Amino acid sequence: GEDVEQSLFLSVREGDSSVINCTYTDSSSTYLYWYKQEPGAGLQLLTYIFSNMDMKQDQRLTVLLNKKDKHLSLRIADTQTGDSAIYFCAESIPGNNRKLIWGLGTSLAVNP
Amino acid sequence: DVKVTQSSRYLVKRTGEKVFLECVQDMDHENMFWYRQDPGLGLRLIYFSYDVKMKEKGDIPEGYSVSREKKERFSLILESASTNQTSMYLCASSFRRSNTEAFFGQGTRLTVV
Repeated sequence: GEDVEQSLFLSVREGDSSVINCTYTDSSSTYLYWYKQEPGAGLQLLTYIFSNMDMKQDQRLTVLLNKKDKHLSLRIADTQTGDSAIYFCAESIPGNNRKLIWGLGTSLAVNP
Repeated sequence: DVKVTQSSRYLVKRTGEKVFLECVQDMDHENMFWYRQDPGLGLRLIYFSYDVKMKEKGDIPEGYSVSREKKERFSLILESASTNQTSMYLCASSFRRSNTEAFFGQGTRLTVV
């Protein structure tokens, strides 16, 4: 069945790079997403990548997609304390465009 | 800016009460969703709607119902609240096209006592 997995916790020092990883099972995924949830708030879309792309860069964010291994990663360069949040990976499936399949979220702690 | 607004940030209800959680979006989105979020369980889809008066069950619909009488409004109803429905409830909306970027409300923290 459809499944998205992420590690639950990541701790980094301010100024370092953070890499959050995600694996998914459905090879027919069309889009893969990264959402950010700050404490006490709803989720907001950070970035997404279409399944025929390998990489997408947007300022401090780099998304890498390895379709063969069904592996998605989000790299945050020069991580700041304001990046402390939960990061969710999600995928959309063809023919099921009404909903996303979500990972459990990775809680990123940035230490000064 | 897209806005998804949930009627309450915090709600405390008694066991057995009927509870209404309201969500309104202002971007003319076809799709609307209700999720609950619990520690260690991530986001779980309760119900979604892809058009007015249309609804589909998500992964955990038991104990909930929904109403979508107008395109911009999607209500989640707890017919008889129970303590195991204490949770964070998140509403989201999106266009129907394949790039299903979802926009979320700020969440309602419901406590059932």
